[in-house]
Amino acid sequence: EVVLTQSPATLSLSPGERATLSCRASQTVSTYLAWYQQKPGQPPRLLIYDASNRATGIPARFSGSGSGTDFTLTISSLEPEDFAVYYCQQRSGWPPRFTFGPGTTVDIK
Amino acid sequence: QLQLQESGPGLVKPSETLSLTCTVSGDSISRGNYYWGWIRQSPGKGLEWIASVYYNGIAYYNPSLASRVSISIDTSRNQFSLRLNSVTAADTTMYYCARHLSTYTGSYPFDHWGRGTLVTVSS
Repeated sequence: EVVLTQSPATLSLSPGERATLSCRASQTVSTYLAWYQQKPGQPPRLLIYDASNRATGIPARFSGSGSGTDFTLTISSLEPEDFAVYYCQQRSGWPPRFTFGPGTTVDIK
Repeated sequence: QLQLQESGPGLVKPSETLSLTCTVSGDSISRGNYYWGWIRQSPGKGLEWIASVYYNGIAYYNPSLASRVSISIDTSRNQFSLRLNSVTAADTTMYYCARHLSTYTGSYPFDHWGRGTLVTVSS
């Protein structure tokens, strides 16, 4: 099973600051990685798929990069609504298997 | 607008079978290019993929749960369902149904989610 590790566990920032979140896979997943945002009482919301493609309706301040085992989600300038938990997810193998990272909480400093 | 809605009992007794249904509205579940899946989320274990099914019934399972899980699809009702056997307290958590892309993408992202249903396993 591919294990995803996210760092940091918590990121304390102010609105307007840049957020950089990391996701590392225990083995290569090519670019088969997605990012989600989750707010309390809501399901996860897809932000980025295939490492760097923004999902429909996602603002341009969200960007993803990376391949292989190391991936980054960047929020260029935090808006008040961006304070949430962020998860990465990978697909590997055939038949496909999916695992999620433990999450990074972005909270207000 | 695509919507997914989970339904099923909120309370299940230990050793019994948990059965959940996801009703899809706003699009046909028979349309290709998508899988339909179940994910659960607990404070201790985070997000855990359980299983996914294609419109033709082909299913994929998380190996850690495969011996207890069955997923099925009913295209006539635009629904898909999950059955989890021999439940224990460890299966107490939030269960989500979701759609995920299967073509033109390598990560097969979950792009639409239901709001989730909380299931408690207790006698």
